Amino acid sequence: DTEVTQTPKHLVMGMTNKKSLKCEQHMGHRAMYWYKQKAKKPPELMFVYSYEKLSINESVPSRFSPECPNSSLLNLHLHALQPEDSALYLCASSQDGFRDEQYFGPGTRLTVT
Amino acid sequence: EDQVTQSPEALRLQEGESSSLNCSYTVSGLRGLFWYRQDPGKGPEFLFTLYSAGEEKEKERLKATLTKKESFLHITAPKPEDSATYLCAVYKGGGADGLTFGKGTHLIIQP
Repeated sequence: DTEVTQTPKHLVMGMTNKKSLKCEQHMGHRAMYWYKQKAKKPPELMFVYSYEKLSINESVPSRFSPECPNSSLLNLHLHALQPEDSALYLCASSQDGFRDEQYFGPGTRLTVT
Repeated sequence: EDQVTQSPEALRLQEGESSSLNCSYTVSGLRGLFWYRQDPGKGPEFLFTLYSAGEEKEKERLKATLTKKESFLHITAPKPEDSATYLCAVYKGGGADGLTFGKGTHLIIQP
């Protein structure tokens, strides 16, 4: 099984809402990632958990908060987002870390109104 | 500053017309170079990892090569289903700031 699942597929939220995106993998991978991708742009890495240790892209605003309950699950908590945060949010996993190939989920299409 | 540049930005080929996509990088201390394919509205799909200059990998109609400054993705006798955006990513070590994606090459194969 090389599948990474993400829920929901689509999400529309207001700027005052709190929501969460979920990601799951059952490949025994020890690294999981969150990316943001705008239309016609490459993915931008936001966060990575590797062996439960968090590494952050310093440019990501604090209204995005990751959580890794265990090595198979990854959440992204959203609070007080702005319309410019509308994008495709991708989750990925890899065996150990950045030197390994990443398997991506289908993404969550987020619209902030 | 680390840079990953992909060229061309877009490429339109006839079915069966072979070509190459380029990924040039100025990252010091390359730890890995990755090629992914992405279809519209979907997550990227892994194709190849290259770790050292001179390395080559093949999969069906695709072949990836690596030098100290660039990587090529050669597409032989492409089919319409090869149409996609091809992304190159470079890892130089460290944490989240050690991985850089190029902007991609949008490839269209016409029947």
